[in-house]
Amino acid sequence: AQTVTQSQPEMSVQEAETVTLSCTYDTSENNYYLFWYKQPPSRQMILVIRQEAYKQQNATENRFSVNFQKAAKSFSLKISDSQLGDTAMYFCAFMKHGTNFGNEKLTFGTGTRLTIIP
Amino acid sequence: DAGITQSPRHKVTETGTPVTLRCHQTENHRYMYWYRQDPGHGLRLIHYSYGVKDTDKGEVSDGYSVSRSKTEDFLLTLESATSSQTSVYFCAISPGQGPQAQHFGDGTRLSIL
Repeated sequence: AQTVTQSQPEMSVQEAETVTLSCTYDTSENNYYLFWYKQPPSRQMILVIRQEAYKQQNATENRFSVNFQKAAKSFSLKISDSQLGDTAMYFCAFMKHGTNFGNEKLTFGTGTRLTIIP
Repeated sequence: DAGITQSPRHKVTETGTPVTLRCHQTENHRYMYWYRQDPGHGLRLIHYSYGVKDTDKGEVSDGYSVSRSKTEDFLLTLESATSSQTSVYFCAISPGQGPQAQHFGDGTRLSIL
């Protein structure tokens, strides 16, 4: 079974600064996908960014980027030029790759509550 | 908006009563999921479906059942609700396997007294 660990329950940063959220995972799989989801106070779950494990290049979406270290099983999220709207709970998630039923399930970490301070 | 509607959005009920939560999608996606979210646990998978009448258990399925008689609807039933099932329940949908992200509904806050 896969496990996802987010060791920072809470973080805060000044507006416009850069912040990095940590995520580690444990798996015996070689091919898989990793995701970061954002949950603002509205409770919606919003996809922030995804990474395919077979891709060496780190994914980037505007101000959001990841540092994917496959050997270390680490998948951190960097938010640049942080904005007040980035205040949210952030979840790291893992999905196995493959065509067998069950491989499309997500395993989530426990989340990091990020507060952007004006 | 991914075209997912969860109903009800909020519900308060008593221990021992049956409860059914509904997830409705307009995307015609094959995969549908039910998660519960609790402090300190993140989201945990209860049940999922990979087609009409095709369902399987997730990691926290005890005390829950599901049904999917139509592509667009996925029902989660608590046959006899307990206080430990007080939680926020999310439905998610996905078009297929692989890197397609799951898209989530707005959640149902369920309180069992």
